[in-house]
Amino acid sequence: EPEVTQTPSHQVTQMGQEVILHCVPISNHLYFYWYRQILGQKVEFLVSFYNNEISEKSEIFDDQFSVERPDGSNFTLKIRSTKLEDSAMYFCASSYTGEGNQPQHFGDGTRLSIL
Amino acid sequence: GQNIDQPTEMTATEGAIVQINCTYQTSGFNGLFWYQQHAGEAPTFLSYNVLDGLEEKGRFSSFLSRSKGYSYLLLKELQMKDSASYLCSLNQAGTALIFGKGTTLSVSS
Repeated sequence: EPEVTQTPSHQVTQMGQEVILHCVPISNHLYFYWYRQILGQKVEFLVSFYNNEISEKSEIFDDQFSVERPDGSNFTLKIRSTKLEDSAMYFCASSYTGEGNQPQHFGDGTRLSIL
Repeated sequence: GQNIDQPTEMTATEGAIVQINCTYQTSGFNGLFWYQQHAGEAPTFLSYNVLDGLEEKGRFSSFLSRSKGYSYLLLKELQMKDSASYLCSLNQAGTALIFGKGTTLSVSS
């Protein structure tokens, strides 16, 4: 079964540094997403992306964050000037359409640790 | 905003049936989704409801009543591997999924 793949599985970064998280969505999916989950808390939506544009973003997704689809298969999340509170699990997801009755399929996540 | 409420923890024994409830306060939404999440792993899609009623997928079923603001996930013939968190989520508008805090289910032998 096709799956969303994320790299790296664990990223350790010094506070203030930039980090890029990588995702390869399911190949025939058109909508891509980033979510985060701080340890012990609920999964939170960050951003959705369709047709090379941000479709929707949450209040969390401020100027510190950006997304990009640099080629036909990869989807990245960049976090600039990282803060301690950015430490979390970051999940990439994809869906075939963006309709509200379509399930989103999640990757295994990248655990980001800011020191 | 929307509130999604689930019990924090539940326990059950192997072979049993368990029902995990989810209540929400929102005026309208497109779909309600249930995910399973093992500790340190990704949420895995289980089931979704758009219309009122029961959706059955093997050992897992999900029910929705829009008028009552209520859904449940039913797990039958419980196995030890079903020990996980179960996340209720809504697509209210647009593309975002809004998640509840999840219910941690512990299955014992």
